[in-house]
Amino acid sequence: AQRVTQPEKLLSVFKGAPVELKCNYSYSGSPELFWYVQYSRQRLQLLLRHISRESIKGFTADLNKGETSFHLKKPFAQEEDSAMYYCALNSGGSNYKLTFGKGTLLTVNP
Amino acid sequence: DVKVTQSSRYLVKRTGEKVFLECVQDMDHENMFWYRQDPGLGLRLIYFSYDVKMKEKGDIPEGYSVSREKKERFSLILESASTNQTSMYLCASSFVGVSYEQYFGPGTRLTVT
Repeated sequence: AQRVTQPEKLLSVFKGAPVELKCNYSYSGSPELFWYVQYSRQRLQLLLRHISRESIKGFTADLNKGETSFHLKKPFAQEEDSAMYYCALNSGGSNYKLTFGKGTLLTVNP
Repeated sequence: DVKVTQSSRYLVKRTGEKVFLECVQDMDHENMFWYRQDPGLGLRLIYFSYDVKMKEKGDIPEGYSVSREKKERFSLILESASTNQTSMYLCASSFVGVSYEQYFGPGTRLTVT
């Protein structure tokens, strides 16, 4: 069965500092990994997906199959990055389900 | 712009009541989902539907049922509400060709007393 682990419930950094939100997964097939974000009083929304290898709002994430990780990184955190971040796994095929991690609440202090 | 709406933002019900949570999407998405969101537990899938009248259990279906009579509407039903069903309920929808990108509603915060 697939599983997504986000080891940090809370992460606090100062503005301008690098930030890394950790995500590890367990899945026997070829996974698709995603990061979703929920800003205060806003809806949960897709931030980025590993297939596109794009940078969104300065965030990047690389899929490391050897370490089964998909950590989210940003070199210089901004206060507006404060939010709840969820890592998610899609096992693909006819299975439309996403398996979400428990989330990491990021706080960027001024 | 995709719109997923949920019938109530806040709801307070008594133990044993039958509760209906409604979700409507306007983008002709085939897939619809119901999650509950609890602090420290993340998002857990209750049920999902990939077509009208089709449904599958998610990870925590006990105590819940669903109905999808029309493509745009997906209802979550708590047959007999209990206090442990107090939670934030999120509805989401997705297009079958891009199934990973789920669009979420604003959520319904349900309190069962």
